[in-house]
Amino acid sequence: EAQVTQNPRYLITVTGKKLTVTCSQNMNHEYMSWYRQDPGLGLRQIYYSMNVEVTDKGDVPEGYKVSRKEKRNFPLILESPSPNQTSLYFCASSSTSSGGGDTQYFGPGTRLTVL
Amino acid sequence: GDSVTQMEGPVTLSEEAFLTINCTYTATGYPSLFWYVQYPGEGLQLLLKATKADDKGSNKGFEATYRKETTSFHLEKGSVQVSDSAVYFCALIDWGSYKLIFGSGTRLLVRP
Repeated sequence: EAQVTQNPRYLITVTGKKLTVTCSQNMNHEYMSWYRQDPGLGLRQIYYSMNVEVTDKGDVPEGYKVSRKEKRNFPLILESPSPNQTSLYFCASSSTSSGGGDTQYFGPGTRLTVL
Repeated sequence: GDSVTQMEGPVTLSEEAFLTINCTYTATGYPSLFWYVQYPGEGLQLLLKATKADDKGSNKGFEATYRKETTSFHLEKGSVQVSDSAVYFCALIDWGSYKLIFGSGTRLLVRP
């Protein structure tokens, strides 16, 4: 089954404790992206990757890091989480070949609470 | 920059009522337009899309027409069901980064 998976689905942590949210897709997609969803703000892009070893900042990259060492994985790293990073996080992927870049597939979401 | 504005919710309807959720956009180019749906506790699912002016996207009884002259992409359904209760997001794509630019979402609640 074609899917985007995220782990963990729920996480409660404390300020300053490094964490990683994993994202994996099994569709051989070139493009992957992270969004955060906050009430009244919709979804905002954090980082994106056009392909392996190619990453770039989105609209709200402060406090986050990413890496793209393999095509299927795109982990989101919070080196020193703060309470304002409490949010619902979504990973997405799409194929940018054959003009398919506009159809993005989303993971189930990771609800992060930073105390 | 590009942006999407959609009507505030929540929208509360009775089953079998007609639904309209308004969406307007601002874009410098010719973006594709989308409606995504988020059911409680789940991720976003693509509901429908339209890639050029006058295109009509449709799926599961929902429709939206890409209106370039009014920069709108309103979502409609003739007869809603309880199972349609969800949050609906209008979005456009920035072709430079493949970033989706979302509206703030509209919660729909359908009562039996």
